Amino acid sequence: NAGVMQNPRHLVRRRGQEARLRCSPMKGHSHVYWYRQLPEEGLKFMVYLQKENIIDESGMPKERFSAEFPKEGPSILRIQQVVRGDSAAYFCASSAGTDEFFGPGTRLTVL
Amino acid sequence: AQRVTQPEKLLSVFKGAPVELKCNYSYSGSPELFWYVQYSRQRLQLLLRHISRESIKGFTADLNKGETSFHLKKPFAQEEDSAMYYCALRGGGYQKVTFGTGTKLQVIP
Repeated sequence: NAGVMQNPRHLVRRRGQEARLRCSPMKGHSHVYWYRQLPEEGLKFMVYLQKENIIDESGMPKERFSAEFPKEGPSILRIQQVVRGDSAAYFCASSAGTDEFFGPGTRLTVL
Repeated sequence: AQRVTQPEKLLSVFKGAPVELKCNYSYSGSPELFWYVQYSRQRLQLLLRHISRESIKGFTADLNKGETSFHLKKPFAQEEDSAMYYCALRGGGYQKVTFGTGTKLQVIP
């Protein structure tokens, strides 16, 4: 089991562009969580998804951010029209219902 | 609302000294408490959870409901313990996990 995979590991975007972050959960895991870590801050919950469903998006900004976890393929966190304040590390975690296993994160830099 | 507070951003101790990483929480029900660790250039991983009352790598943590605390302790720090430590809380049933801001433990040789 390769563990939770995230790609890309580093992503650079200019203001106004779109960022797509991918997360492949561990085999057998149907629960996916996205967290954001801003510089000098802790992990902040963004969204919790199960296959094809958003369960809890209480941590997602109301605009420009969206997430999906399709029946086939990885979970995608999409940020439209990125701004400098979106620069952060984005972590994905997956679980089979109990413990969460984290991916290595994607570091997004907005120029 | 659930909240986790880790008051120390950085904790420096000498090798062999005792370690205590503080964590206080706010939650109205019966929470699940966890400690996660992130070693340099590695992913976040679960260190221990209060339910299992286990000791991992010499670390223990006791849930004190009266003081709403879940401090992480180790009697003798090792250099390889240097890492970021995050305290986390999950409410009953499905609830999202709320993380503290983390404490960087630096063990001085």
